[in-house]
Amino acid sequence: DSGVTQTPKHLITATGQRVTLRCSPRSGDLSVYWYQQSLDQGLQFLIQYYNGEERAKGNILERFSAQQFPDLHSELNLSSLELGDSALYFCASSPHVPGMNTEAFFGQGTRLTVV
Amino acid sequence: AQKITQTQPGMFVQEKEAVTLDCTYDTSDQSYGLFWYKQPSSGEMIFLIYQGSYDEQNATEGRYSLNFQKARKSANLVISASQLGDSAMYFCAMRGYSGAGSYQLTFGKGTKLSVIP
Repeated sequence: DSGVTQTPKHLITATGQRVTLRCSPRSGDLSVYWYQQSLDQGLQFLIQYYNGEERAKGNILERFSAQQFPDLHSELNLSSLELGDSALYFCASSPHVPGMNTEAFFGQGTRLTVV
Repeated sequence: AQKITQTQPGMFVQEKEAVTLDCTYDTSDQSYGLFWYKQPSSGEMIFLIYQGSYDEQNATEGRYSLNFQKARKSANLVISASQLGDSAMYFCAMRGYSGAGSYQLTFGKGTKLSVIP
């Protein structure tokens, strides 16, 4: 158990809908990362938050947004869903602003299926 | 830009044998970190081992060791005495500075390891 909790584990929704994925980082970790894993794209970095502030953006679509709350949990909002958004979404956390020797601890992921 | 290449989509190994999973990387940074993660069929990402770019000795964690060849920009994972539970996807990743105080993990496409009894 990595200590990172993601809910829900599975989500099935229709095209055009909006969903929210939730992540609770390890106790004390200030950095939260979101990744998307699809069969054709592999693991793609979406966005990073550090202590409530957006720190870096990766390949995140405009239809997607995220935030990190004062209690450090994070939510990833996906709207106007398309079939191609079906993927495994991971949250990871790191203790602080990470240096090179800090691994990211991953949650178990949320498997999103858009039908 | 950082890039990780894993050239072996799939590998087979006999139980109790050793196996090497290849990883090459490309970066212009002098300081970076290299990681290996395991993803079993259940889906979670499990951290295995880390190597810093300035570490002179190869990292080891139990049955896992990282064969780090800096000049070749390679960071191969060696699993000794393979077990059936080692069957999984293995991802090589690199953390480098991506600006604005942010260090990102860039992943390779992974290698699927199957351990044969």
